[in-house]
Order: sequence, then C-alpha cells, then structure tokens
Amino acid sequence: QQQVKQSPQSLIVQKGGISIINCAYENTAFDYFPWYQQFPGKGPALLIAIRPDVSEKKEGRFTISFNKSAKQFSLHIMDSQPGDSATYFCAASKKTGFQKLVFGTGTRLLVSP
Amino acid sequence: DAGVTQSPTHLIKTRGQQVTLRCSPISGHKSVSWYQQVLGQGPQFIFQYYEKEERGRGNFPDRFSARQFPNYSSELNVNALLLGDSALYLCASTRESGNTIYFGEGSWLTVV
Repeated sequence: QQQVKQSPQSLIVQKGGISIINCAYENTAFDYFPWYQQFPGKGPALLIAIRPDVSEKKEGRFTISFNKSAKQFSLHIMDSQPGDSATYFCAASKKTGFQKLVFGTGTRLLVSP
Repeated sequence: DAGVTQSPTHLIKTRGQQVTLRCSPISGHKSVSWYQQVLGQGPQFIFQYYEKEERGRGNFPDRFSARQFPNYSSELNVNALLLGDSALYLCASTRESGNTIYFGEGSWLTVV
C-alpha cells in the first residue's frame, strides 16, 4: 500500500514535443505529490508539487494533472527541450506529521534535438 | 542562502568498515531526513529527525543509525558495511514537518 508506480521507465521525445509521465498510488492517506528532476551525479531537485484539493497545477512548461478518484497523477512537460533530459521521479507523502516521501521508480527522459 | 550541504561527496570503504556522512540543512530548517538511492532506483527513506528527535525510520537494519545536533545538522552512520550499501546517500531538509522537502547533492558511497 506504500508503493508509487511510475511509467514509462524511459521516454524519448523530440524537441518541442510533449513529455508525459504517469504515476499511480495506493495509500489514500497520501496528500502531497511532488515531482523531482535529477541530473546524473546530482541530488533530486523539486520541480512542482500538488495537493489533492486541485486537479491541475501549472508552473511554466510543467503541469501536474491529478485524478483523486483514480489515484493517479501525471507530469506534462510542454515544449520539451534537450536541457530537460534527466530522470524524473514522482513521489507521495502525507503533508503533515511524520513526512516520508515514497518515490516512484523513475523515468529517464531524453529530448532529442 | 546555501542549500542542503553534504560531506563527503565521494568515498570508498572496504566491507566491514564504518562510515559517517554529514549533512547541514538549509538555514532555518529544523527537520532532516536521510534517503538511500541505489543506482537506477528511486530514493528510499532511512530516517527523519525533527528538533533532534527521531520521527521515523525506514526498513533498514540496525547497522544504520543517525543523530541530529542542536544546530540541526545531522550525521548518518553505517556500521559493518556490505557491498549492497554502495549507493548515493541523500540528505533532505524542511523548515518543519509538512513543508517542501529539499535535497542535497548526496554522498556517493562505494563499498569494495
């Protein structure tokens, strides 16, 4: 019940295209859903996060869509650029109290020029 | 403001040895967490400390221990190292429970 399932494992998108990464969770106690971007040899950097009281959040080219009833959320990267090539992790946690992030398995994104 | 800082950045240890990893949280952040990231996988939660008290522990053996100091910095200790302990160890900090979690660049541990 603690798992967060992420797909696809890898993704190749042409420059200017839309990158879509999907995640699903089981624990209904989760109420905080961040996405992290990680470049090789670096720590994860927070990209964008959402709480279940909204269905969508947009920050620049990055959008999270959230479907509470399906227990699914996704990251959309619009106008994908070669500099977006990285590994993306979805995660989930409870927003309050003991805060433990449960991560997905990661998606390696390659944006071709 | 400086982000989460970790040291050392890279280290190599021999099986059976002990290692101590250090973390300084972002200024004003009182909560520190530790995660282990094995190559090709997502980070796995090890510990969370808040105001020097352990708030949570992941599914790791007792060889793993940690502590938080009065200045909110933290140390992660791993005893009797195994080859499988080779990983990137990440420290994360938050202002207090329930806020955005920021990660450091990690400490790469290789056990040979």
